[in-house]
Amino acid sequence: QITLKESGPALVKPTQTLTLTCTFSGFSLSTSGVGVGWIRQPPGKALEWLALIYWNDDKRYSPSLKSRLTITKDTSKNQVVLTMTTMDPVDTATYYCAHRESDYKLFDYWGQGTLVTVSS
Amino acid sequence: QTVVTQEPSLTVSPGGTVTLTCASSTGAVTSGYFPNWFQQKPGQAPRALIYSTSNKHSWTPARFSGSLIGGKAALTLSGVQPEDEAEYYCLLYYYGGQLVFGGGTKLTVL
Repeated sequence: QITLKESGPALVKPTQTLTLTCTFSGFSLSTSGVGVGWIRQPPGKALEWLALIYWNDDKRYSPSLKSRLTITKDTSKNQVVLTMTTMDPVDTATYYCAHRESDYKLFDYWGQGTLVTVSS
Repeated sequence: QTVVTQEPSLTVSPGGTVTLTCASSTGAVTSGYFPNWFQQKPGQAPRALIYSTSNKHSWTPARFSGSLIGGKAALTLSGVQPEDEAEYYCLLYYYGGQLVFGGGTKLTVL
C-alpha cells in the first residue's frame, strides 16, 4: 500500500525559504522508473506542477519556478524534500507530493496535502 | 509558456453522458502526451482516474473513459452519478519531462 505525507511549516514570512518534506511508504525511490513529484494548489485555483525527482536522481522543474526550487531525495529515509526560496504571498497554497510510476502513469498516489500560508 | 485548456464548467443531468476535453497550446494532443485525468472533490486531494489516454486505474469506475477526440484528450462520463460532481483536471507530459495541468473543469450534476 502506497502512502505519502507532506510536512512542513504552516506559515512562512515573505522572502523566507520554504522547506517541505514528503515521507512515503509502500515503494522505493531506488526502483527503476519511480519518481516523486510536488504539486501545489492556491485556494480556489487549479493544480500546478512544481518539480519531479526520479529514481536515478534526475530532476525536472517547472520552467516558471525553476530558479526558486530544489528537489532532493533521501532513499534510506524514504523522503523527498522540496525547497522554495523567496516566498511571496502568491505562493500561499496547499502543497501535495505524489508518486509517479512512469512517464505515462503520473501521480497515481497523492499525499493529503499541507497548507502553507505566506504572510508577515 | 505552454497552456493546457479545459472547459471551465459543465453541467450534466444524473444518468446522462458528458465529455470533458483537454487542449494544448502547442497543437494537437496525441498519445505521446500521455494524458492523465484526475478528480478532485472539495477539501480532498486529487484522485487519479485515467492514465496514458485511456487506461483506468484499478479503482476507477467503469463509467469513466478516456480518449482522443479532434486533437484533444477527452474524458467521458457515461451514466453520471451525483457523486461525480467534482473538479476534473487533465495533465499532459511534454518532451523533456515537463508536466502541465489544465485549468480544471467544474462538473455540476443537476
